[in-house]
Amino acid sequence: KAGVTQTPRYLIKTRGQQVTLSCSPISGHRSVSWYQQTPGQGLQFLFEYFSETQRNKGNFPGRFSGRQFSNSRSEMNVSTLELGDSALYLCASSFVLAGDTQYFGPGTRLTVL
Amino acid sequence: SQKIEQNSEALNIQEGKTATLTCNYTNYSPAYLQWYRQDPGRGPVFLLLIRENEKEKRKERLKVTFDTTLKQSLFHITASQPADSATYLCALGLTGGGNKLTFGTGTQLKVEL
Repeated sequence: KAGVTQTPRYLIKTRGQQVTLSCSPISGHRSVSWYQQTPGQGLQFLFEYFSETQRNKGNFPGRFSGRQFSNSRSEMNVSTLELGDSALYLCASSFVLAGDTQYFGPGTRLTVL
Repeated sequence: SQKIEQNSEALNIQEGKTATLTCNYTNYSPAYLQWYRQDPGRGPVFLLLIRENEKEKRKERLKVTFDTTLKQSLFHITASQPADSATYLCALGLTGGGNKLTFGTGTQLKVEL
């Protein structure tokens, strides 16, 4: 079974631009969560989608948004990029609604210049 | 305030010894706790999950304990090997939180020959 895939793997943007990251979960998984990882703050939860509905949201500004498609693939978007948005963005998928093993993708390394 | 603390210092141990990693939390009532391993530049990999009504879980050379009175989890790797060198993360899941995980800061483990 293929694992969680994320595209692109690396991205360089400049301040003020916007970016869209993509995540394809493991086949059959309907829950997709997004996390931001930085050296200073560690791994922080962004949001979770299940069956195309956002179920949970972390404490991030409205510039961070996401969506999930009917095939469970998910995208997250960051608008008006700031230097502090430079991070590793990780996507995780799981099979059931709650309290399940999370399978993480390799991440997208975003650098904002 | 809510906090999840792991060994702040890196842990260096000799091959063959048992590594013990600590995860302490305050102002949380987790429904379950998970441990992950993360290698540089990669996404976290799930190791073990333990629920609030469980005291101990084992998987091969790994053992996790969960003390909800002390608000602490201990993660043990017996007969450690250099290949066990990585960062280990604990993560809490809350009732009603879906698959949202709140992560600790991680402990870097180095197993030396």
